[in-house]
Amino acid sequence: QSLLTQPPSMSAAPGQRISISCSGRTSNIETNFVSWYQQFPGTAPRFLIYDDDKRPSDIPDRFSGSKSGTSATLDINLLQTEDEATYYCGTWDSTLRSVVFGGGTKLTVL
Amino acid sequence: QVTLRDSGPALVKPTQTLTLTCTFSGFSLSTNGMYINWIRQAPGKALEWLALIGWDDTRYYNPSLKTRVTISKDTSNNQVVLTVTNMDPVDTGTYYCAWARESFSSFDIWGQGTLVTVSP
Repeated sequence: QSLLTQPPSMSAAPGQRISISCSGRTSNIETNFVSWYQQFPGTAPRFLIYDDDKRPSDIPDRFSGSKSGTSATLDINLLQTEDEATYYCGTWDSTLRSVVFGGGTKLTVL
Repeated sequence: QVTLRDSGPALVKPTQTLTLTCTFSGFSLSTNGMYINWIRQAPGKALEWLALIGWDDTRYYNPSLKTRVTISKDTSNNQVVLTVTNMDPVDTGTYYCAWARESFSSFDIWGQGTLVTVSP
């Protein structure tokens, strides 16, 4: 069981906006930066968001991140069919002294 | 340009030791703020972090696997090695190495992954 909690699945139509939540604890999300990753079947995860809300230069601005207290959120605007993937949140846990991931959210764009 | 290539056996038997190598280019692991991590993913399951090693030889391990996992680096050859002892079928999955800079948990670049199956 993952230490960070994400909804297992979500769905939305093309053009809509969706928010994927990631819930944790004071020892992880509240006190450390959160990252987000996108993974397509059979491929390695792709770096989407770091330091809670920053985007690597190759990530479109339709993707954005935020954090409040012990929860983080990944927002995807103007959904496209190619956004259909599994999304993971991750961060450092200061008590466990280890990286922790969420269980992943499978996004369907239909 | 940073690249990582993870490599190792596709099949190991139960109780054997798994040795995986991450060969990287585009940076030096002796540079301040550089880290290499190992992460695995069982078929159809979530990502599971295993271990990290840093530029200053900092090492952290997943507490649930700490007694079985060892991470080491060969800076001169740009390689990081992960060993996992006493392999079990539940350890079957894809093993990735990933590069992080200035942070333990922001993985900019990932290797392509090595699928390891544990079977008699």
